[in-house]
Amino acid sequence: AQSVSQHNHHVILSEAASLELGCNYSYGGTVNLFWYVQYPGQHLQLLLKYFSGDPLVKGIKGFEAEFIKSKFSFNLRKPSVQWSDTAEYFCAAGSSNTGKLIFGQGTTLQVKP
Amino acid sequence: EAEVAQSPRYKITEKSQAVAFWCDPISGHATLYWYRQILGQGPELLVQFQDESVVDDSQLPKDRFSAERLKGVDSTLKIQPAELGDSAMYLCASSFRDGNEKLFFGSGTQLSVL
Repeated sequence: AQSVSQHNHHVILSEAASLELGCNYSYGGTVNLFWYVQYPGQHLQLLLKYFSGDPLVKGIKGFEAEFIKSKFSFNLRKPSVQWSDTAEYFCAAGSSNTGKLIFGQGTTLQVKP
Repeated sequence: EAEVAQSPRYKITEKSQAVAFWCDPISGHATLYWYRQILGQGPELLVQFQDESVVDDSQLPKDRFSAERLKGVDSTLKIQPAELGDSAMYLCASSFRDGNEKLFFGSGTQLSVL
């Protein structure tokens, strides 16, 4: 069955701390991977995506993610978080054939100033 | 920037009643999705349309839920009858082609079933 699993439900960090959010997927066939973010009071929006090529992808606002095929993982990282990064982060996997996109359960990140 | 429009923003209903949600995707977007998001969880795909055709509705509880996109533009999601467990945020999203592209999400409809 297709599934996306996020390791941490709630993460609390101080500003300038480094961030890594875990994501593992189970998806038959060729899969594309995404991280979406939802800032307080805003819509879900795309942070970054991986389709093929360089397994290290860079997104907006200094975020990056690394695709490790052997581990079925797509972890999100940021070297130094800011208070404005407080949000909910969702990992998602999509079928390259059908475009069906499924989401993980989300990780709430709280950054303390 | 163009947005996905959803209405109503909030809906309170009693169990056994019928409810309907409306979504107008970004103009020109062929793919439309309805997701359900329970508090503390990620969005769960209910139905995916490609133009007016259903691509995936494997997670749609078809005994009570229905969705249509008759002209391949706007879409309606209906629940009849509503149950207490249906209380959730119902999100609509669209993309130009499919989920391998960027999805644009609406603000959602927050449903409370009493």
